[in-house]
Amino acid sequence: GQQVMQIPQYQHVQEGEDFTTYCNSSTTLSNIQWYKQRPGGHPVFLIQLVKSGEVKKQKRLTFQFGEAKKNSSLHITATQTTDVGTYFCAGSDDYKLSFGAGTTVTVRA
Amino acid sequence: DVKVTQSSRYLVKRTGEKVFLECVQDMDHENMFWYRQDPGLGLRLIYFSYDVKMKEKGDIPEGYSVSREKKERFSLILESASTNQTSMYLCASSPMLGTTSGGSYNEQFFGPGTRLTVL
Repeated sequence: GQQVMQIPQYQHVQEGEDFTTYCNSSTTLSNIQWYKQRPGGHPVFLIQLVKSGEVKKQKRLTFQFGEAKKNSSLHITATQTTDVGTYFCAGSDDYKLSFGAGTTVTVRA
Repeated sequence: DVKVTQSSRYLVKRTGEKVFLECVQDMDHENMFWYRQDPGLGLRLIYFSYDVKMKEKGDIPEGYSVSREKKERFSLILESASTNQTSMYLCASSPMLGTTSGGSYNEQFFGPGTRLTVL
């Protein structure tokens, strides 16, 4: 079945630095979603990518969907303490989503 | 705003007990989901439902069952709780495939979660 792998599992970032988290699928996806879960909270939808090669930005966050629709990335620039949390990608081949294990981000002030 | 509520934030049960976790959504969403979340494993789908009285197995259905008698309510049942079912349980809902009501295409809205401990 479909599997979504996400790396790295942990990311420790100095405030102000950039980082990227990556998501790879064993199969071609119809779309990919990204969620953020703050410590003690529940996952909250960030964005969805549908088209091959699509790039979307939300302020300091840049999301990309690969040309083959089998991988995606989330790049955060100038990390802030508010970026702390776990970022999940979720790939869909129909209405069922498969979540990656998440990247847990901590920020050093 | 979409609201997904779960019956308990914390629950402690004993091995062998029957456990009910309730989830209610107020946005008339067709799809509802139950996940469990464990460190390092992300969110794993247990069961989902795309209509009243309909259910589909997810990736880890063993030891669980579900019930959806009304559109807004989706229940997860542990017939005989075991210690390896200690976990965070998250319910989610989403609009029907292809619709845009309530947000983006296929976006899932999560409840606050129930942390279940089985002793």
